Amino acid sequence: KQEVTQIPAALSVPEGENLVLNCSFTDSAIYNLQWFRQDPGKGLTSLLLIQSSQREQTSGRLNASLDKSSGRSTLYIAASQPGDSATYLCAVKTNFGNEKLTFGTGTRLTIIP
Amino acid sequence: EAQVTQNPRYLITVTGKKLTVTCSQNMNHEYMSWYRQDPGLGLRQIYYSMNVEVTDKGDVPEGYKVSRKEKRNFPLILESPSPNQTSLYFCASSLDRDYEAFFGQGTRLTVV
Repeated sequence: KQEVTQIPAALSVPEGENLVLNCSFTDSAIYNLQWFRQDPGKGLTSLLLIQSSQREQTSGRLNASLDKSSGRSTLYIAASQPGDSATYLCAVKTNFGNEKLTFGTGTRLTIIP
Repeated sequence: EAQVTQNPRYLITVTGKKLTVTCSQNMNHEYMSWYRQDPGLGLRQIYYSMNVEVTDKGDVPEGYKVSRKEKRNFPLILESPSPNQTSLYFCASSLDRDYEAFFGQGTRLTVV
């Protein structure tokens, strides 16, 4: 059974700093891994999708890496801004047929102005 | 604008009163799913559908029903809601298993 862990559960950093969020998963047989952000009272916004054959994906100030063999992914945020404050979730789609995303419980990020 | 739309956004109901949460996507996606989000448990899949008339159970299907009569719509039905179904519900869709999933804005359901 796939399990996804995100540590730490909460993180506070001063504005302008670079930071890394971590995600680990137990079953390396994945189709892809997706990072989302969730703002209070709002839905999930997709940030980056990494296919199982890829090592990393970049979008603006965000860079996500994937190491399937070790069951790890990181989300790097450069030059953090107060608007980056949100909960960040990673989710993996595993190689059996039900289309399920298995989510971690998230890291709540606060950027201090 | 490409989106997944859920209605209602907020709902308070009483135990046993049937309700339906609607979900519609305008991206011609094949795959649709329902998740619930609970504190400390994260998001868990309730039901999913890989195409019209094809649905199957996820991890927590008890007390829920779904149907997929049209490609764009995937309603979640609670025939007899109970307080343990109080949760934040999300509908999601994707073009195929290799593509990113898009989520709706969520429906906060309270059953009293």
